[in-house]
Amino acid sequence: EVQLVESGGGLIKPGGSLRLSCAASGFIFTNAWMTWVRQAPGKGLEWVGRIKSKSDGGTRDYAAPVKGRFTISRDDSKNTLYLQMNSLKTEDTAVYYCTTDNSGVINRAEWDHWGQGTLVTVSS
Amino acid sequence: QSVLTQPPSASGTPGQRVTISCSGSSSNIGSNYVYWYQQLPGTAPKLLIYSNNLRPSGVPDRFSGSKSGTSASLAISGLRSEDEADYYCAAWDDSLSGPVFGGGTKLTVL
Repeated sequence: EVQLVESGGGLIKPGGSLRLSCAASGFIFTNAWMTWVRQAPGKGLEWVGRIKSKSDGGTRDYAAPVKGRFTISRDDSKNTLYLQMNSLKTEDTAVYYCTTDNSGVINRAEWDHWGQGTLVTVSS
Repeated sequence: QSVLTQPPSASGTPGQRVTISCSGSSSNIGSNYVYWYQQLPGTAPKLLIYSNNLRPSGVPDRFSGSKSGTSASLAISGLRSEDEADYYCAAWDDSLSGPVFGGGTKLTVL
């Protein structure tokens, strides 16, 4: 059974940094493309970014609002995905979900497994 | 303001058929697959429809998707109380080089 468990959320002041983790199990993490999606309180879903598998180049893509501030990385030896968030703003307050990404040769908005999410609150 | 446009709300009575629309443009829906996600209250989203009209294993055939041009629709037949949820459409956007979502539709079962 595929499991994705996020951790690392919490309350942080504007301008601060936070690192989220996503522990994966039940599938071959090394081969997986992974994505972060967030949801502000009471709002809709927003793509944050993705990381390809190392065999597919390991490249990362980011949404415009987080580019230059957020970094997605992975440790395949630990089956763990990370989201390093720097220069946090109040508008980054959201539940952050990690997901498996079924993109490949064709780019897709297809995420078939989701974690339970971790809440990040940016407030002074 | 979401790139894909959905009605904010929809409703129906048990047993009815409801449809939720999703409107986009040539750079997203018009040239890429459409996906639908269901988010039950207090839970993570779940993939409901992929590649325009395919259902993942375990999704009842009461749920169906369609696409025409730059618009897509999700239909739910035989509406049940447990279908009360938020529904989101999504598609890759070639101009933005990333996926985009609709704003979500809150479905109420009366």
